[in-house]
Amino acid sequence: GIQVEQSPPDLILQEGANSTLRCNFSDSVNNLQWFHQNPWGQLINLFYIPSGTKQNGRLSATTVATERYSLLYISSSQTTDSGVYFCAVTNTGNQFYFGTGTSLTVIP
Amino acid sequence: EPEVTQTPSHQVTQMGQEVILRCVPISNHLYFYWYRQILGQKVEFLVSFYNNEISEKSEIFDDQFSVERPDGSNFTLKIRSTKLEDSAMYFCASSGARDYGYTFGSGTRLTVV
Repeated sequence: GIQVEQSPPDLILQEGANSTLRCNFSDSVNNLQWFHQNPWGQLINLFYIPSGTKQNGRLSATTVATERYSLLYISSSQTTDSGVYFCAVTNTGNQFYFGTGTSLTVIP
Repeated sequence: EPEVTQTPSHQVTQMGQEVILRCVPISNHLYFYWYRQILGQKVEFLVSFYNNEISEKSEIFDDQFSVERPDGSNFTLKIRSTKLEDSAMYFCASSGARDYGYTFGSGTRLTVV
């Protein structure tokens, strides 16, 4: 299967700070999604981004498919941004491969 | 925005019992999936389902597991003879097309005691 590595594994930010999360993957993909897992365990879809750049409020993401990585940017972080951020990829559409996640803690 | 609905949100069962986890995918979606996440670990693929049959399954998805779409709206995961190590969060997901984005449900936390 596809190997997905995320960095950093843990991140602590002061409220208002900006951050960049990275996802590297080992093979070409035709779908990539970023998810936020909140403290209740729910997986919230942030971006469907197999290539290019997208923005949604304070969040944006960029995928460079030819170089096999994606970046998630969080600006002006808030305490509600805390949780685990997962990157997931697929090249078949049948099965997503998830990374091990970046655990983000935003402190007031 | 359309949602994938999972019930129950939390289920506690005794070892050896059978459980059925239920999901209502987004109504016009055709592809359905189950994933699980053991506490503190990454999300793992179990099975994908299309056109009333399994299209792919992982090594985890052995004879203990089965899936069914009993009617036009529900998609279920049955776990027979549950074991302690089946304790996990189980996520259902659906997609309108194979190469398009997934929408995940909010999960069912299964605790086997």
